[in-house]
Amino acid sequence: QVQLQESGPGLVKPSQTLSLTCTVSGGSISSGGYYWSWIRQHPGKGLEWIGCISYSGSTYYNPSLKSRLTISVDTSKNQFSLKLRSVTAADTAVYYCARGRTYYAPWGQGTMVTVSS
Amino acid sequence: EIVLTQSPGTLSLSPGERATVSCRASQSVSSNYLAWYQRKPGQAPRLLIYGASSRATGIPDRFSGRGSGTDFTLTISRLEPEDFAVYYCQQYGSSPPWTFGQGTKVEIK
Repeated sequence: QVQLQESGPGLVKPSQTLSLTCTVSGGSISSGGYYWSWIRQHPGKGLEWIGCISYSGSTYYNPSLKSRLTISVDTSKNQFSLKLRSVTAADTAVYYCARGRTYYAPWGQGTMVTVSS
Repeated sequence: EIVLTQSPGTLSLSPGERATVSCRASQSVSSNYLAWYQRKPGQAPRLLIYGASSRATGIPDRFSGRGSGTDFTLTISRLEPEDFAVYYCQQYGSSPPWTFGQGTKVEIK
């Protein structure tokens, strides 16, 4: 079965770029016509959809993040990635990757990213 | 952007009891495109329901979803010990951003 695993730095300085990668195992990121998504949860708050990408590179972004956001896919590595520029403390959250464009299954375990100097 | 409001915030129940979680949308969710997820501490969220009432693969039939328009519910007919968790609704009926409710914690009474 398909499994997802997030990786990346747990601590990012303000104004820098947050970079995360999601590695997909147990299946090809290119098969099934799926989109691959990023979702985050701020401490003590609800879930926020960040954006998604298809295996061919088509993207949907949350308008509130679009100006700072790039999601990319590397089919040769079976990975997709998130880059969020000019981060602030408000970007501190648990970041999840998941399969799907509209609803999501499965999800990764999530990775905590703290923005602090 | 559609805002989803879940109630109650916390539900205190005993194993074997029935749990009902409500999700109300700020505007109609087109085509009943609403999903429910379960999240346990330290685990990845799990899709339970999509399309308001369709159970995801492998989800026990004690979980059911219903509703339309702006009002949706998730019901767990008889709580098992492993069902104590946080539950989220999510709409995907409009153009992005797709949005989530704030979550309902189902805790052991």
